[in-house]
Amino acid sequence: GAGVSQSPSNKVTEKGKDVELRCDPISGHTALYWYRQSLGQGLEFLIYFQGNSAPDKSGLPSDRFSAERTGGSVSTLTIQRTQQEDSAVYLCASSLGFGDPQHFGDGTRLSIL
Amino acid sequence: AQSVTQLGSHVSVSEGALVLLRCNYSSSVPPYLFWYVQYPNQGLQLLLKYTSAATLVKGINGFEAEFKKSETSFHLTKPSAHMSDAAEYFCAVRGSQGNLIFGKGTKLSVKP
Repeated sequence: GAGVSQSPSNKVTEKGKDVELRCDPISGHTALYWYRQSLGQGLEFLIYFQGNSAPDKSGLPSDRFSAERTGGSVSTLTIQRTQQEDSAVYLCASSLGFGDPQHFGDGTRLSIL
Repeated sequence: AQSVTQLGSHVSVSEGALVLLRCNYSSSVPPYLFWYVQYPNQGLQLLLKYTSAATLVKGINGFEAEFKKSETSFHLTKPSAHMSDAAEYFCAVRGSQGNLIFGKGTKLSVKP
């Protein structure tokens, strides 16, 4: 079956611009996670959605980062006023439920010029 | 709070040799532990997971890991390395929100 799909696969933008990253989880998966992977910081948890509940935003690095999940399915991660330190690979994962194995997409590679 | 430490950012083995990738964890609650593999320009693929059942866990591609509470370790092994095993490997512990807390990763090279 289809896995987790992320788009775009690559995004290059200028410092100060806003970007939107999209994640399509595996159908039927209620839990959705965003992570960031960078050379300096490794893999960091950003935000977690469980069904239609309010998300756990505890990992978001600043108020420039936000995310939503519409209809309990597709999720969008938005970064406003991008900075060079936002350059990283943003990975999305979904799981059947809390604690179940997470399945990852191939990520969006974000480069801020 | 939970954390994971992977010893050795790079490991190099010869094809056919034993693979041993080290992972130590810290957790105030019984841990749920995972090993993931990442190939270039791809996401992470689950190799195996420990969820408090058997302490020796078998995963895909011939990998296995042993949970040792006394040593707070969850090392990944494979008896005989294959060229296709060259990748980056991440150990992770499950956090309180079901999120994964990852180690820094170990890059495995396999020499012919």
